[in-house]
Amino acid sequence: SAVISQKPSRDICQRGTSLTIQCQVDSQVTMMFWYRQQPGQSLTLIATANQGSEATYESGFVIDKFPISRPNLTFSTLTVSNMSPEDSSIYLCSAGQLLNTDTQYFGPGTRLTVL
Amino acid sequence: QQQVKQSPQSLIVQKGGISIINCAYENTAFDYFPWYQQFPGKGPALLIAIRPDVSEKKEGRFTISFNKSAKQFSLHIMDSQPGDSATYFCAAKDSGAGSYQLTFGKGTKLSVIP
Repeated sequence: SAVISQKPSRDICQRGTSLTIQCQVDSQVTMMFWYRQQPGQSLTLIATANQGSEATYESGFVIDKFPISRPNLTFSTLTVSNMSPEDSSIYLCSAGQLLNTDTQYFGPGTRLTVL
Repeated sequence: QQQVKQSPQSLIVQKGGISIINCAYENTAFDYFPWYQQFPGKGPALLIAIRPDVSEKKEGRFTISFNKSAKQFSLHIMDSQPGDSATYFCAAKDSGAGSYQLTFGKGTKLSVIP
């Protein structure tokens, strides 16, 4: 299995600012994903982080609001830009391993509160 | 459109009892069905998964039952323990579409009382 870490684990931010969340995987993985989970709710896929190319965004999510980088096979960042209280949520990174892309492992999440 | 419907939303089970969580899907192209367990403040952890070529898969106290014709699958937790108290999510994936996207149910909050 892949071990995934995220930084920061939580943050409280002011409206209008931006926060960058880092995701590190302990082994090379084919796919990396970013999800949003609002309190007590299910997981919604924001985008697939592609190495060396632009991320693939799901309906309702745009690059200007959630820019994503993936410079190599083990690291990705998600930025939440120009934040509003509606962005308060848990942001989760997940990854699929090279030889078994069906299985996705999740990081511990970043709990974001926007005031 | 929610493609995976999960029930119940919450479940209270006595210690030693059987916990049953159900999911139904619409997309017949789905061919991979994992269950995730999430404790408060933690990320979801893969618990067990099944493919449509089998009707049941068991790992320890956890069993997935799969009914392809009914497009339903369920998680059974035998001899439920207070440590099993968590939120459980079912999910589904269409491996053949070249997509890696998991579609999640809305989750079931399980409470196992002593």
